[in-house]
Amino acid sequence: SQQGEEDPQALSIQEGENATMNCSYKTSINNLQWYRQNSGRGLVHLILIRSNEREKHSGRLRVTLDTSKKSSSLLITASRAADTASYFCATDISYSGAGSYQLTFGKGTKLSVIP
Amino acid sequence: DVKVTQSSRYLVKRTGEKVFLECVQDMDHENMFWYRQDPGLGLRLIYFSYDVKMKEKGDIPEGYSVSREKKERFSLILESASTNQTSMYLCASSVWPAHTQYFGPGTRLTVL
Repeated sequence: SQQGEEDPQALSIQEGENATMNCSYKTSINNLQWYRQNSGRGLVHLILIRSNEREKHSGRLRVTLDTSKKSSSLLITASRAADTASYFCATDISYSGAGSYQLTFGKGTKLSVIP
Repeated sequence: DVKVTQSSRYLVKRTGEKVFLECVQDMDHENMFWYRQDPGLGLRLIYFSYDVKMKEKGDIPEGYSVSREKKERFSLILESASTNQTSMYLCASSVWPAHTQYFGPGTRLTVL
């Protein structure tokens, strides 16, 4: 099945710096989402970008999508220690049987923000 | 706020036991999902359900079954637990036609 792949696998930065994570996927998508997971917890939705959008902002988050390259990036500006978490991209494929869909998640980027 | 709850945060079972993992959502969502998460493998979809009594296999359904008798509750069943089912299990829900999934806190299952 298609899968997003995040890059890098791990990233360590100082507080106040920007963090950039990338995601590549294999086949055409309807939407791409980014989720965050604090250690040992469930995932929390951060942002969704549609296939006809190129850039989207939400607070300190900026997401870009390049459908020609099948890639997306997540930028966290002015990082804080509380941003320490794993970040996952997720792409959707339609389940035509009922108008529903599935998400396929990448393996994640583990971000550490050092105070 | 959407709330997805899972019956246990930590669970320890013996090989061969029948294990039930329960998930409840309080937002009348049509879609519910079960994933397992393992280091280096990311999240993998086990089963999902888009309506009461409906279920569809995900990428790794072997060794698992599910039950959805009520809209708010989606149960994952390990018929005969094995050590390779030791994992973090995550439940999620979403409302049609939106694509955002809301996750529970996860159940860390250890099979001895």
